[in-house]
Amino acid sequence: DAKTTQPPSMDCAEGRAANLPCNHSTISGNEYVYWYRQIHSQGPQYIIHGLKNNETNEMASLIITEDRKSSTLILPHATLRDTAVYYCIVRPYNQAGTALIFGKGTTLSVSS
Amino acid sequence: KAGVTQTPRYLIKTRGQQVTLSCSPISGHRSVSWYQQTPGQGLQFLFEYFSETQRNKGNFPGRFSGRQFSNSRSEMNVSTLELGDSALYLCASSFPGQRNTNYGYTFGSGTRLTVV
Repeated sequence: DAKTTQPPSMDCAEGRAANLPCNHSTISGNEYVYWYRQIHSQGPQYIIHGLKNNETNEMASLIITEDRKSSTLILPHATLRDTAVYYCIVRPYNQAGTALIFGKGTTLSVSS
Repeated sequence: KAGVTQTPRYLIKTRGQQVTLSCSPISGHRSVSWYQQTPGQGLQFLFEYFSETQRNKGNFPGRFSGRQFSNSRSEMNVSTLELGDSALYLCASSFPGQRNTNYGYTFGSGTRLTVV
């Protein structure tokens, strides 16, 4: 079973920041938080990952709480192309034999 | 750099038949994992191979099997197809332990299997 809890859906206006929350209260010390997204009919796409520090890349920012029990993915300026299902996953870093276990994810709808 | 290639893209089979799906990982990636995606169950992990060895397996019946070749290409096979096997089958590759630019898995576009 997935070790994360996400809201089933969220809406965001184009150009505004999209803040997607994720709860992972049972996360272990060696587990990272990964975010993927899946645009309709395509394979999931890696977005970002982190252990305990906040992370930022060209796609998004990841804010992890100090107790590591929850995190927020931030898309700073959402566009229509960001409409997708977003998955929050916890697993040990890039370790062979440890699968990505997907939950239901959050369906983000960006509208103009 | 070529991405993960899955063939065929679409497939229609009859109940009781068997099917083989192929996945070519990104050059240099040695781990390949397979997922099944259906509207009802979402994305479910099937199995993962690393250096030709199955390292992890999801909760699927024995009709689902896979293998990995020395060049890291992988195939999965489903025997005695059932209507419920209709799904999008996704393959992902990674290089465990290496800090590549993705830091994670790269997925292919999938094979859409329809069982009639």
